Amino acid sequence: QLQLQESGPGLVKPSETLSLICTVSGDSLTSSSYFWGWVRQPPGKGLEWIGSIYSNNGDTYYNPSLKSRVAISLDTSWSQFSLKVRSVTAADTAIYYCARDIEGNAPFDSWGQGTLVTVSS
Amino acid sequence: AIQIIQSPSSLSASVGDRVTITCRTSQGVTNDLGWYQQKPGQAPKLLIYKVSSLKSGVSSRFSGSGSGTDFRLTISSLRPEDFATYYCVQDHDLWTFGQGTKVEI
Repeated sequence: QLQLQESGPGLVKPSETLSLICTVSGDSLTSSSYFWGWVRQPPGKGLEWIGSIYSNNGDTYYNPSLKSRVAISLDTSWSQFSLKVRSVTAADTAIYYCARDIEGNAPFDSWGQGTLVTVSS
Repeated sequence: AIQIIQSPSSLSASVGDRVTITCRTSQGVTNDLGWYQQKPGQAPKLLIYKVSSLKSGVSSRFSGSGSGTDFRLTISSLRPEDFATYYCVQDHDLWTFGQGTKVEI
């Protein structure tokens, strides 16, 4: 059974870089045509897609509103993918989820439990 | 980027009611439209994908319909466990979520 688990600091200072890792178990990051993605949710607000990475070739896709500050990468040897958001502000405070999307089929059918990241000095 | 307008933002309903939530996309998304349910403190749960395909294990009370730019999620007869927030998502061109609909008692 596929499981995803987010990990990383729960508190980040303004202007610094937010870094999160998603560890995948129960399936291989590259065994099929998957997009591995990040979605965030500010407290009490809706869902926002941040970006995704394609398992087959590592191509990345980002939300245009965040593209200049975001990077997603794969580490297949550790069965992990990561998110970096540069120059964070209080507006980046949110629950961050990692999720799997099956290409051409189900969008984000499996999710991690989410991790709260607060941006504050 | 494709935008989504989801409505209503909230609704009040009773157990047994039929409920419909709509999403309108800014351009056609063929059948690349899905629906999620989210309860407080939990990750979203996929209910429907490809407009009308029910994810395995999801109750048949939930159904999806629509085409082009207009889509609907219908709950045929509300049960207590259905009170939650619902989101649509398009994955035709990148990914975009609707703003959410909170279904309250």
